[in-house]
Amino acid sequence: QVQLRESGPGLVKPSETLSLTCTVSGDSGSSGNYFWSWIRQPPGKGLEYIGYIYYTGSTNYNPSLKSRVTMSVDTSKSHFSLKLSSVTAADTAVYYCARGLLQGTYFDYWGQGTLVTVSS
Amino acid sequence: DIVMTQSPDSLAVSLGERATINCKSSRSVLYSSNNKNYLAWYQQKPGQPPKLLIYWASTRESGVPDRFSGSGSGTDFTLTISSLQAEDVALYYCQQYYTTPITFGQGTRLEIK
Repeated sequence: QVQLRESGPGLVKPSETLSLTCTVSGDSGSSGNYFWSWIRQPPGKGLEYIGYIYYTGSTNYNPSLKSRVTMSVDTSKSHFSLKLSSVTAADTAVYYCARGLLQGTYFDYWGQGTLVTVSS
Repeated sequence: DIVMTQSPDSLAVSLGERATINCKSSRSVLYSSNNKNYLAWYQQKPGQPPKLLIYWASTRESGVPDRFSGSGSGTDFTLTISSLQAEDVALYYCQQYYTTPITFGQGTRLEIK
């Protein structure tokens, strides 16, 4: 059974960098069949795609966030990471990591999500 | 970006009755070379992550009850719950994966009447 778990600080100050890690179990992380993705959901609002990373390190970022996003993957440790720089209150959200299928990027497994609040 | 618009925003249906949620994309998500619609549906309950229900517009994910079905093609899609159960109360989202950035509908809240 594939499981994903997000971890990282729940509070980040404005203008600083948000850093999250997603640990994957039940999947090698180096399978070429999946993209490893980040999606966020502001409180009471809808879902926003942030981007994905392939096990080779190839990435795809949402253009609306591209200038501030960096993703990385460590297949040996079965985890992938998100960094979002220069955060503001608008970046306050529940951040989910999810597994996307290479054949078509719908998301079949999700982490439980972690709330990140941007506040001084 | 492809804009996904769901209707209605909220819906109240009696137990055992049919619930229908619509999703319209700003351009076609049908890929002509394989005749597949790049459209998925998710269910989200409070405090939980979204759960995949349907992909390729009409393929039910393993373990999803058969009262859930998806239909449509091109730009117009529908999620139908044939006989509403109490545990179906949730938010429902459509998602296109035809092109990046991947985009979601704004969500439809389904309640019991």
